[in-house]
Amino acid sequence: AQRVTQPEKLLSVFKGAPVELKCNYSYSGSPELFWYVQYSRQRLQLLLRHISRESIKGFTADLNKGETSFHLKKPFAQEEDSAMYYCALSGSSNTGKLIFGQGTTLQVKP
Amino acid sequence: KAGVTQTPRYLIKTRGQQVTLSCSPISGHRSVSWYQQTPGQGLQFLFEYFSETQRNKGNFPGRFSGRQFSNSRSEMNVSTLELGDSALYLCASTGTYGVREAFFGQGTRLTVV
Repeated sequence: AQRVTQPEKLLSVFKGAPVELKCNYSYSGSPELFWYVQYSRQRLQLLLRHISRESIKGFTADLNKGETSFHLKKPFAQEEDSAMYYCALSGSSNTGKLIFGQGTTLQVKP
Repeated sequence: KAGVTQTPRYLIKTRGQQVTLSCSPISGHRSVSWYQQTPGQGLQFLFEYFSETQRNKGNFPGRFSGRQFSNSRSEMNVSTLELGDSALYLCASTGTYGVREAFFGQGTRLTVV
């Protein structure tokens, strides 16, 4: 079965603290993994994709095929990082179908 | 270029009615996908249309249907509305790079009373 699991509904940290948003997936094949972010009153937008191996707004994510994980990390959280974060999976880049996790709300306290 | 546009932004319907939502993708994008977002279930994939054909389908009842026009605009229809259909409905458009470059609309908030 294709599934994305984000075990934490809410992650609350203080400004400057490290952040790790967990994402585990289940997929029989080689999926593509993404992180999407939804700031308050804004539309859902792409943050990271594993294939690009990039760092956006200080966030990075490494695909660990052995542990089937794609955790999102940032060494020093900022208040503007407060948002809902979704991990998503696609079985093929040639389609528009994404399977999303339940999402994790990140709250960065001053 | 203009982003993904969804209309209307808000809808209130009564149980048993039907509703049609519209999504205009980014110019040049041929794929439109629809998602249902609820607090309990999160974001769930409904279906995807590509060049006027349904290319993928999620696990939703047949009351949920869609179509795509030659200009790539897509509509989603829900018949015989139930209270549980209350949700934010999002559409996403993708272009040449497929899901690697998906852009979402702001959604239509449907409330069924």
